[in-house]
Amino acid sequence: GESVGLHLPTLSVQEGDNSIINCAYSNSASDYFIWYKQESGKGPQFIIDIRSNMDKRQGQRVTVLLNKTVKHLSLQIAATQPGDSAVYFCAENLASGSARQLTFGSGTQLTVLP
Amino acid sequence: DAGITQSPRHKVTETGTPVTLRCHQTENHRYMYWYRQDPGHGLRLIHYSYGVKDTDKGEVSDGYSVSRSKTEDFLLTLESATSSQTSVYFCAISDLAGDYNEQFFGPGTRLTVL
Repeated sequence: GESVGLHLPTLSVQEGDNSIINCAYSNSASDYFIWYKQESGKGPQFIIDIRSNMDKRQGQRVTVLLNKTVKHLSLQIAATQPGDSAVYFCAENLASGSARQLTFGSGTQLTVLP
Repeated sequence: DAGITQSPRHKVTETGTPVTLRCHQTENHRYMYWYRQDPGHGLRLIHYSYGVKDTDKGEVSDGYSVSRSKTEDFLLTLESATSSQTSVYFCAISDLAGDYNEQFFGPGTRLTVL
């Protein structure tokens, strides 16, 4: 089956720098994408989403870019802070059966260095 | 955690015993999901529910059953626990407002099968 994957399992950045986390997806029929943040011992927390009719969406300190041509998704975090240290997952959403289902990537561990 | 609780939060059990995990929501959302999370894997869908008494299988449903007798509760049962079911289990809810599947997650249950 098709799946969502991540380019890098770990990423370390200096505090104050910008972070970029990448994600590749393979299902061209996916029309909605979500980034989640998961801190140790907690459940995933919604960060930002984007629909397939958009190329870019901005939130507070975060930007998601979608390149449908190469099936690539990225999450940019501006001025990375220690509290941003977590695992970040991308997920794709495909209408399926009686409910839209999310397919998750394996995650990228972001570590913010002092 | 968006009005979602899971119980128990931690459980240790022995191979062959039945185990039931509970997810309770106060958001009155229609859709509820059970995922498992294992090292090196993203979240994988076990079962989901699209209404009271309406459930369907996910990607990794073998060895699990679910029930939903009321909107706020979604139960996951391991009929006869095996060591391969040692994992962290997350419940999620979604209202599918506007037909886009933003899911909110509970805090998780860590299950160890000895």
